[in-house]
This record gives sequence, C-alpha cells and structure tokens, in this order.
Amino acid sequence: GAGVSQTPSNKVTEKGKYVELRCDPISGHTALYWYRQSLGQGPEFLIYFQGTGAADDSGLPNDRFFAVRPEGSVSTLKIQRTERGDSAVYLCASSLLAGYNEQFFGPGTRLTVL
Amino acid sequence: QQQVKQSPQSLIVQKGGISIINCAYENTAFDYFPWYQQFPGKGPALLIAIRPDVSEKKEGRFTISFNKSAKQFSLHIMDSQPGDSATYFCAASSQTSGTYKYIFGTGTRLKVLA
Repeated sequence: GAGVSQTPSNKVTEKGKYVELRCDPISGHTALYWYRQSLGQGPEFLIYFQGTGAADDSGLPNDRFFAVRPEGSVSTLKIQRTERGDSAVYLCASSLLAGYNEQFFGPGTRLTVL
Repeated sequence: QQQVKQSPQSLIVQKGGISIINCAYENTAFDYFPWYQQFPGKGPALLIAIRPDVSEKKEGRFTISFNKSAKQFSLHIMDSQPGDSATYFCAASSQTSGTYKYIFGTGTRLKVLA
C-alpha cells in the first residue's frame, strides 16, 4: 500500500478484555512509532521501534501495554485488562529512518472500552 | 520540560486572511519542529518542518517563523482557504539525542469562513 495502514479502524471492547491493534508501515520504513490521541488532545508518544527492537518505550503508561515488531515491519500494540481510560485513537507512524525524517501517520484505530 | 504549549485553542479566519498559530517550548535539546495538519477521522499529515539553525521557512502559503532565544515558533497560513479548515498541531523532538519521539502541542482548530 501507499501509506501506513491500521486495523481495525474501530474496536469496541469491554473493560478487562485484551485487545490487539495492528500497524502496517510504509514498505521499507525502518522506524515505527505508536502514539495515543485522546479527544481534543495532541498525539502522545507511546513507543518507537528501530527495526525489530523497541528503541524507546518510555511512553507506555503501564505494564498492561506492550508492543512488538518481530520481523521489522508489521507491529502490534497489545493492551491487557483494558480500562475505560484506555479509550482513545491509537496512531501508528513510520519513517524511512529515525532522525530528521518525516513521520507518516496512519488513520488510527479508535478504541472504545465500555 | 517536555511540554509544548500551543495557542490559540481555536481560530476563525475569513477566506483570504492570515492564520497564525503559536507554540512555545522549554527543552533546549529540542532541535526539530514539525507542523502537522489533521482532518476529522484522519491521521496527522506533515505540513512543514524547521530546524533551529534557520529563523524562517516557507513552503507555498505556509511559513514557519522560529525564535530560538524566546523558544517560540509559529505557523502562518497566508491567503487562508476553506479547505485549510482542520486541526493543526505543532511538535518538537530532540533528534540529536537519539530519541526521535515527537512531543505534540494540544492543537488548534482552524475554521476558515467562505
């Protein structure tokens, strides 16, 4: 595909359930980022991958959040024991390299925890 | 230290007018300042970005002005058009420190009246 794709576009779950959010970066992009955007706010950094490794996970709010990128391309953000406060749009971005390179954002996954 | 403060929260401009959005930061390690445009239901898209070694950068109708000593930067949209109606986010990152994550402002909702 031409851009960053994210699936699902919408996810509704119940409090306490487990969810997985998927990101397909632009082909050839080595850096991948996850952000969370609450209503009326700017995106908030969660985690950054360079290749397969998490180079910076300082934004993950707690140990219920985990992300992987096993083959250096697709990434999955995993949230355990979801809480209502986890409701937000989860954005994925990729860039050709880290550093002074544009981050291209996907459309996001809107997560609603009931 | 990590915050980026953005103002105004919302802005209404007549078609053909100039839209001005301001951002301020504290962390002197920030060395890359992008502006993103976001339409409802879409991910943010890069408009223009600047590094602190220049005081101004222009691309078409969009200009970033940068004041390193004041730790402020602003986006000017000349000849504003109804199609520019969107939410605008400033961001900052510390590229040389190797973290690459963006710290976003809280956003400015721009409405351009026809």
